[in-house]
Formats: sequence, structure tokens, C-alpha cells
Amino acid sequence: EVQLVQSGAEMKLPGESLKISCKASGYSFNTYWVGWVRQMPGKGLEWIGIIYPGDSDTRYSPSLQGQVAISADKSIGTAFLQWSSLKASDTGIYYCARHRGSSGYYRIDYWGQGTLVTVSS
Amino acid sequence: DIQMTQSPPTLSASVGDRVTITCRASQSISNWVAWYQQKPGKAPKLLIYEASTLETGVPLRFSGSGSGTEFTLTISSLHPDDFAIYYCQQYNGYSYTFGQGTKLEIK
Repeated sequence: EVQLVQSGAEMKLPGESLKISCKASGYSFNTYWVGWVRQMPGKGLEWIGIIYPGDSDTRYSPSLQGQVAISADKSIGTAFLQWSSLKASDTGIYYCARHRGSSGYYRIDYWGQGTLVTVSS
Repeated sequence: DIQMTQSPPTLSASVGDRVTITCRASQSISNWVAWYQQKPGKAPKLLIYEASTLETGVPLRFSGSGSGTEFTLTISSLHPDDFAIYYCQQYNGYSYTFGQGTKLEIK
């Protein structure tokens, strides 16, 4: 059974750094793109980016590139989303998402349970 | 970025009704569209991909159609479990965007 288990809720101050995780199991982690989707409070879904753990090829939404960093550790089957300096506008639920398809055309077939990130002074 | 304009934002319907949700892409994306269902406090769930292919385990009352820039999700006969928020997503070439969502509520 495919599972994506995310790290727990975080409460941070503006300007702090943060790294959240997504532990994958039940499939070959190295051979599927895995990525992140944001949902701000009461709002819709926003695609952040994806990484191919096999070779660490990473792609970002143009509007979010430079604001976050996606990485993966294939030795432990885990993907990460990282901020170096959080802002209040980063508050939201962050979903880990396995992507399935080929050649740049990947739908999301499995989702993690979500990690709530709250940034407030 | 390719924009996905989804309509209507809210749809009120009754159990047994047939409903249709539409997404329009800002440029042609062939059939690279997926539809997801999200219930309160839960992660989204994949319903349809490649515009019209039903994901395994999804009830046959869900169907999708379209290509190019116009896409639709149809639920042929609403069940109580179908009241949720629905999102379209284009996944054309490594930069993916969602529609704004349609909240399907009980009339």
C-alpha cells in the first residue's frame, strides 16, 4: 500500500527557518516524482514543485521558485520542503504528493495527510 | 503560467441530480487535465486524469471530457457522499496549476 506520511504541525516566528518531511512507503521511491502542494487557509490548491529522487532533478512553479527548496533523501525514502526565512504569508497546509505519468505530464495519484505550518509573531 | 478558470465557484444541487463543472485553460493543453475531490479536513483525491480516464476505484457516475482548452467533470446522479469541493488541474510540462475550485453543496 502506497503511503506518504508527513511530519507534524509547526508553529514558527517570521524570519525563522523550517524543513518539513514526507516519508514514502509501499512503492519504489526513486522512480516516481514527488512534490508539494500548498493550501492557504480557506483557499484553493497551489502546486509548488516536484523532485525525482533518482537523480534529484527538481522543478518549481515559476511563481514560487526561490521562495522554497525541495529535496529528497533516497536512502530513507523521504522528501523535504524547506524555507530559509518564513513569512506570515507562508501559513497554510502543505501536502506531499506522489506524481505519476511520464515525460513532463504527471498527475497526482497519492497524497500525504498534510502538514499545517503557522507563521505568526 | 497556464491559468485554469473553473466554474461555477459554488453549485447547489440535490441527491440524484446531474451536475457539470467546467474548466477553461488559458492555452491549449491537449488532454492533460485531472480532477480531484476534496472533503473538509482531508487531502484531495484523484478522480479523473488525462481529461477522461477514471482513476481505479472511482464510481462510474463520475466522468470527464474535453481537450484543448475546455474541460468538464460530470456527476451523473449525485450521491450524499459527493458533496465536496472539486478542483481541476492542468499538468502540461512541469508547471502545473489548479482551478479555483467548485464547492458542491446540498440544495
